[in-house]
Amino acid sequence: DAGVTQSPTHLIKTRGQQVTLRCSPKSGHDTVSWYQQALGQGPQFIFQYYEEEERQRGNFPDRFSGHQFPNYSSELNVNALLLGDSALYLCASSLEVLGGNTIYFGEGSWLTVV
Amino acid sequence: DQQVKQNSPSLSVQEGRISILNCDYTNSMFDYFLWYKKYPAEGPTFLISISSIKDKNEDGRFTVFLNKSAKHLSLHIVPSQPGDSAVYFCAARGGSEKLVFGKGTKLTVNP
Repeated sequence: DAGVTQSPTHLIKTRGQQVTLRCSPKSGHDTVSWYQQALGQGPQFIFQYYEEEERQRGNFPDRFSGHQFPNYSSELNVNALLLGDSALYLCASSLEVLGGNTIYFGEGSWLTVV
Repeated sequence: DQQVKQNSPSLSVQEGRISILNCDYTNSMFDYFLWYKKYPAEGPTFLISISSIKDKNEDGRFTVFLNKSAKHLSLHIVPSQPGDSAVYFCAARGGSEKLVFGKGTKLTVNP
């Protein structure tokens, strides 16, 4: 049973560029959330996708956008990268019908903006 | 406005003893609480959770206690093992699946 998988694991981008991060949820899970974790901080909620729609959004600018596909996988896109976007980006999945009480995280994608 | 607070950035205990990690929250709408363990360069690993209708949940060496009136929860690890050394995050949820995390407590278990 595959857990939450994310790609790429590490990447380096230049200021102003765009990045796409990918996530496959745990088998059987239908809800995907994205979090940003800066050094020394807890993960911060970016947004959540369910049934291919953005259901909730945290306090992040419109440069952060996402998508969920029919197979429940998801992408996180960040445009016009800033140095402050350097962080670990975590994907979490859960199953809506069970109340979403079991939330599993992937290993994360480390983004460095130079 | 930090709704979930872990006021101890670090904790050091001796192997075999009890580790107690604390977490306070301010939002009375939170109804579900989770603890995650995180090693460097890895994603958070789910440890244990508790619903607001309970005051205790136990899973092996891990027990979580919830005091709703004090808006406080704690994670007890007994006995502590060197492999438990990691950063522990407390997270809370209020009716939706958005998790609000504390800043974490780094636990070091000394052999």
